[in-house]
Amino acid sequence: DTGVSQNPRHKITKRGQNVTFRCDPISEHNRLYWYRQTLGQGPEFLTYFQNEAQLEKSRLLSDRFSAERPKGSFSTLEIQRTEQGDSAMYLCASSWGQFSEAFFGQGTRLTVV
Amino acid sequence: ELKVEQNPLFLSMQEGKNYTIYCNYSTTSDRLYWYRQDPGKSLESLFVLLSNGAVKQEGRLMASLDTKARLSTLHITAAVHDLSATYFCAVDAMRFGAGTRLTVKP
Repeated sequence: DTGVSQNPRHKITKRGQNVTFRCDPISEHNRLYWYRQTLGQGPEFLTYFQNEAQLEKSRLLSDRFSAERPKGSFSTLEIQRTEQGDSAMYLCASSWGQFSEAFFGQGTRLTVV
Repeated sequence: ELKVEQNPLFLSMQEGKNYTIYCNYSTTSDRLYWYRQDPGKSLESLFVLLSNGAVKQEGRLMASLDTKARLSTLHITAAVHDLSATYFCAVDAMRFGAGTRLTVKP
């Protein structure tokens, strides 16, 4: 068990480009969460999955953000037409069920130039 | 929409002193979590509280949950420099507060 893995760790992209991040959760965990965190702020909820079902997503994901978790294993988060305001750390976490703690990956730091 | 509020947002303490961080949330929930984040690092789980009246302790930190008041507290006893970090509470399906940035000074 290597914990939650996120790739890439860093991404620099030009404004207007699309980016995709990957999260590999702890293997037996059925819940997977995505967050965005900027300096000095708490993790901002984006979406979460139980197995392959996307159970909830923030209003932010109704536009340029989309997430998938095919087959209930790894997940991807795509941001289309990136803007400078998208620059942040994107965190993924996983847990077993709704009552256990979540384990976080090291995050993907996105810089939009 | 669930709201999670922490206070204070910033806390500077002297070593050896006691203090309490508060976490209020806006809807009924039977689960609350505390996490720690060191600068440049990801979040680390501290406590899982799953029922009214639950109390958990680890070292100099003690967390409690009052679901009727929709309030959790994180009490720090005899603070030491190593406790300097940002502490977050999370409620329900991992909705986080803004965090309390704790600095412990000698």
